[in-house]
Amino acid sequence: DVVLTQSPLSLPVTPGEPASMSCRSNQSLLHRSGSNYVDWYLQKPGQSPQLLIYLGSNRASGVPDRFSGSGSGTDFTLKISRVEAEDVGVYYCMQVLQTPRTFGQGTKVEIK
Amino acid sequence: EEQLLESGGDLIKPGGSLRLSCAASGFTFSTYAMTWVRQAPGKGLEWVSTISGLGGHIYYADSVKGRFTMSRDNSKNTVYLQMHSLRGDDTAVYYCARDVLKEGTSYHYYGMDVWGHGTTVIVS
Repeated sequence: DVVLTQSPLSLPVTPGEPASMSCRSNQSLLHRSGSNYVDWYLQKPGQSPQLLIYLGSNRASGVPDRFSGSGSGTDFTLKISRVEAEDVGVYYCMQVLQTPRTFGQGTKVEIK
Repeated sequence: EEQLLESGGDLIKPGGSLRLSCAASGFTFSTYAMTWVRQAPGKGLEWVSTISGLGGHIYYADSVKGRFTMSRDNSKNTVYLQMHSLRGDDTAVYYCARDVLKEGTSYHYYGMDVWGHGTTVIVS
């Protein structure tokens, strides 16, 4: 199975400042199509997960442009250009290249 | 508005059975694969099962294979998760999510972009 390792597990952030988190895979998630089969989801406190980024770098509909996804192969990054208070929650990466699909353990973002 | 509404969660004894439902609205249901994801208390997300739009392909996590069966009724815009031989580690909130879109012979993946609110299963 593909193992995704996220870091850091906890990320204290300051509103207005940038933030960045990592997702590393033990196998390449680069599909022959050229897309990287990794998504990013945010689960706000008490809510269902919501899609932020799909196939590595594509922002989902309605997602603010302060969120961006990058990386290729085994190393991926989610960046928030300027954190807002509403961005708190747990961020998960997930690979959709292989079955079983697998999630990272999550990065918890909190306001300092 | 595209929506998913799960139901069927309950408190059930170990070894028991339960069927979860996920009713969809606001989109052409049969053109989308659907997925169940669960979250144990205080834990992360775990993929459980995915079914193709017409139900011909179904995939399961090893942790539920042989015990859970995912199915769909496109006439009712509903997917199901039939769970048997339930164990304590099946205790979780179960979410359904919209998945891969099939248009004609082409597949399009835009992420799991619509999620339900979840339904809670407690095995105790």
